[in-house]
Amino acid sequence: GDSVTQMEGPVTLSEEAFLTINCTYTATGYPSLFWYVQYPGEGLQLLLKATKADDKGSNKGFEATYRKETTSFHLEKGSVQVSDSAVYFCALSDPYTGGFKTIFGAGTRLFVKA
Amino acid sequence: GAGVSQTPSNKVTEKGKYVELRCDPISGHTALYWYRQSLGQGPEFLIYFQGTGAADDSGLPNDRFFAVRPEGSVSTLKIQRTERGDSAVYLCASSLTETSRETQYFGPGTRLLVL
Repeated sequence: GDSVTQMEGPVTLSEEAFLTINCTYTATGYPSLFWYVQYPGEGLQLLLKATKADDKGSNKGFEATYRKETTSFHLEKGSVQVSDSAVYFCALSDPYTGGFKTIFGAGTRLFVKA
Repeated sequence: GAGVSQTPSNKVTEKGKYVELRCDPISGHTALYWYRQSLGQGPEFLIYFQGTGAADDSGLPNDRFFAVRPEGSVSTLKIQRTERGDSAVYLCASSLTETSRETQYFGPGTRLLVL
């Protein structure tokens, strides 16, 4: 069945460093891809999404490009801030084969040091 | 405006007991989802409602788990004969309509601990 694999954390970076969190997926259909973020003490929030191949989702300086050829959706940010410290979840949803499920990766915890 | 709210925020119970977890979706949202998040894992889909009906309950792990949404707004997740393995954070999410189901807004979750 459909699945999402993302890099294990924690990832520890200094402020202003470049961030990449890898995410790959397995899907039988044509899924939409998402990155969610969970800040300490808060609920999951949608960070960005892409609904078809070669789409780029972006928000708050974060970007991810839907790469069908490599089945990847890596999250990047050029210059992280302490306030970006959170857990990041890669996810997919395929209404044509997965119904209404959103399938999440295990999450990657990011620590940003001042 | 108000987001998705869940009560209680924490629930401690004993093995074998019955628990109810409540979700108040964003006003006007017709789609409602329940997920379960175990420690160190991503959320796992349980059930989806469109209006009052459960459109997909394939994620419910067994018949001890049941959810209702009688008036198409508030939903209650019910767990009978709780087991220690049910300990997790239970998340609720809502989206405006079925066509926008891909944008889900999550509540803060209910942390359930079964002793």
